Amino acid sequence: GAVVSQHPSWVICKSGTSVKIECRSLDFQATTMFWYRQFPKQSLMLMATSNEGSKATYEQGVEKDKFLINHASLTLSTLTVTSAHPEDSSFYICSAYFFGLAGSASTDTQYFGPGTRLTVL
Amino acid sequence: AQTVTQSQPEMSVQEAETVTLSCTYDTSESNYYLFWYKQPPSRQMILVIRQEAYKQQNATENRFSVNFQKAAKSFSLKISDSQLGDTAMYFCAFMNYGGSQGNLIFGKGTKLSVKP
Repeated sequence: GAVVSQHPSWVICKSGTSVKIECRSLDFQATTMFWYRQFPKQSLMLMATSNEGSKATYEQGVEKDKFLINHASLTLSTLTVTSAHPEDSSFYICSAYFFGLAGSASTDTQYFGPGTRLTVL
Repeated sequence: AQTVTQSQPEMSVQEAETVTLSCTYDTSESNYYLFWYKQPPSRQMILVIRQEAYKQQNATENRFSVNFQKAAKSFSLKISDSQLGDTAMYFCAFMNYGGSQGNLIFGKGTKLSVKP
């Protein structure tokens, strides 16, 4: 299966600071990357969708100025939580989506990173 | 809009037994994909099995198999010979076919506990 890495795995920061989370597809080129937020004992909530070289598409209710997404290449997307506050504390998960010719990954499938636990004090 | 429903918030099974997790979905599309993802306590989302709606044959992956009933819009997951490592949240998910975006629509999940 395809491997997606996410860094850092956990981070603690002070209120008002910014935090950057990286998501990389290690063995395939992702046409699209997704960012999710997951609250305890709940399903994944899609925050935004990003394509390489394009502006991210944010879901309704997600502040684009607070959650900045940069998709620099077909293997790297970053999520920056700006001016973080305690209510931003959560588990953030990225996924990479492969569409097209099959390689090591199954096409038309999202592969997930291991997640980042963010705690804002 | 498509929806995915998992009606069993929690289930438990004895080790080595078989368990079936239910999932229903609603869509007006004829071609799509269905997935089961597993999220163990580590919270890593792991792809368990994938089904293409245009294939009549049910997908299988070792001890995991699905019962895909397209007319009934049902997509249940059967886990045979349950193991302690199968303890996890299981999410059923839907994806439209042929789109370059690949958006997934998730159910709320079923928490499965495998007891020794």
